[in-house]
Amino acid sequence: QKEVEQDPGPLSVPEGAIVSLNCTYSNSAFQYFMWYRQYSRKGPELLMYTYSSGNKEDGRFTAQVDKSSKYISLFIRDSQPSDSATYLCAMIRYYTGNQFYFGTGTSLTVIP
Amino acid sequence: DTGVSQNPRHKITKRGQNVTFRCDPISEHNRLYWYRQTLGQGPEFLTYFQNEAQLEKSRLLSDRFSAERPKGSFSTLEIQRTEQGDSAMYLCASSFYRGRSGNTIYFGEGSWLTVV
Repeated sequence: QKEVEQDPGPLSVPEGAIVSLNCTYSNSAFQYFMWYRQYSRKGPELLMYTYSSGNKEDGRFTAQVDKSSKYISLFIRDSQPSDSATYLCAMIRYYTGNQFYFGTGTSLTVIP
Repeated sequence: DTGVSQNPRHKITKRGQNVTFRCDPISEHNRLYWYRQTLGQGPEFLTYFQNEAQLEKSRLLSDRFSAERPKGSFSTLEIQRTEQGDSAMYLCASSFYRGRSGNTIYFGEGSWLTVV
């Protein structure tokens, strides 16, 4: 079983829709959670960074962490065609600062 | 802020040849990471440095792979006797490690390797 599971999609939504992207994980030691956006043939770009459970909002993006369910989400409001990319979740344990565990990524297309 | 810089961005090489990639991290960052990513997969950890010390290597990093970070600045990743299975994007990332406060990593644009 992989440490981090992410539905690869692809996900296709109309412009303006609310998008929900999700990851589950198996290791309860993960404390820090990140979402990256990756455009085709580019490096991942950090979008959101959260610590432990709760919500964090940044513009049209909201990151949500539910540690009891080992489940994290990224919501995109008013989605735009420029949001079309692959979204990767990542997480790291508290006591080790070296290995980041990534999901496989969800491919999102926002249709104008 | 110049970000993490990687070069070359693309490399096509014949099987059996050696290749070297270079990474220049964000200037104040003390940690540098190498990841490998293949199509449809997330980045996989290869190795990381804190300053000039290589602190961990993944089992993915076979003896054909070697990474260095002299003087704790830029880093190189060399692949010897390349195989077709080495074809992937090699990502460098850096972070400023703050101990128990955790850290986040920032990626470069990646170096694409195609072994023919």
